[in-house]
Amino acid sequence: GQSLEQPSEVTAVEGAIVQINCTYQTSGFYGLSWYQQHDGGAPTFLSYNGLDGLEETGRFSSFLSRSDSYGYLLLQELQMKDSASYFCAVRADRGSTLGRLYFGRGTQLTVWP
Amino acid sequence: DSGVTQTPKHLITATGQRVTLRCSPRSGDLSVYWYQQSLDQGLQFLIQYYNGEERAKGNILERFSAQQFPDLHSELNLSSLELGDSALYFCASSVALAGLGTGELFFGEGSRLTVL
Repeated sequence: GQSLEQPSEVTAVEGAIVQINCTYQTSGFYGLSWYQQHDGGAPTFLSYNGLDGLEETGRFSSFLSRSDSYGYLLLQELQMKDSASYFCAVRADRGSTLGRLYFGRGTQLTVWP
Repeated sequence: DSGVTQTPKHLITATGQRVTLRCSPRSGDLSVYWYQQSLDQGLQFLIQYYNGEERAKGNILERFSAQQFPDLHSELNLSSLELGDSALYFCASSVALAGLGTGELFFGEGSRLTVL
C-alpha cells in the first residue's frame, strides 16, 4: 500500500516562513509533487522533485530526500492568499500506471495578519 | 483556469440513484484521471484513462465505472448511490501517459455530489 503523512494544520503570520513536511511509504517512487487547494477548489500544481535536493520557484521551495522518504514544502514571505490546503503527492507506480499520484490528506495552512 | 471542464458543478440526488459526471480534458491531453475527495480527506485516486484505454485503477467501487471516449472526454458513472458517496469528484488531465518530468496534473473545478 501507499502511505503519506503530513501535518493536518499549520498556522503562521504574514511575512513568516513555514515548512510543511511529508513522509511517505510507497512500494515505488518516481517523484514528489505538491499541490495547493483553496476552499475545495481545483488543486493546482506547485512543484515537483524527482531527485534529491531543493527546487525553488519564487516564494515556494520544495525539498526531497529519497533515502529518508521525506520531503517538505517551504513557503516564504507568507501572504494572506497563501491560506489554503497543501497536499504532497507521490508518483509510485512503474510501467503503464506511471500516471497515478497518491495524495496525502493535506495540511491546512492559515496565515494571520 | 486549468482548461479542464467538469459538469455538472453541483448535483443533489437520492440514495439508490445513478449519476454521470462528465469531464473534458485540456486540449491535447491524452490522459484523464478521476479523484474523489470527501470532507477533510485527501484526494483518493479512482481511475486513469489514456487515449481511450483504462490504464490504472485505484480504490474505485464496483458501483462506479468510467470510460474515455474517442474525443477524449470522460464520464464517471456512479450507481446505487449511498450517503457516503457524497463528495467532490475531480477530473484531471495530463499530456503524456505519466505527465513525466514535472508530475503535473491539471485539475478541473470538480463536481460536488450530495446524496440525500
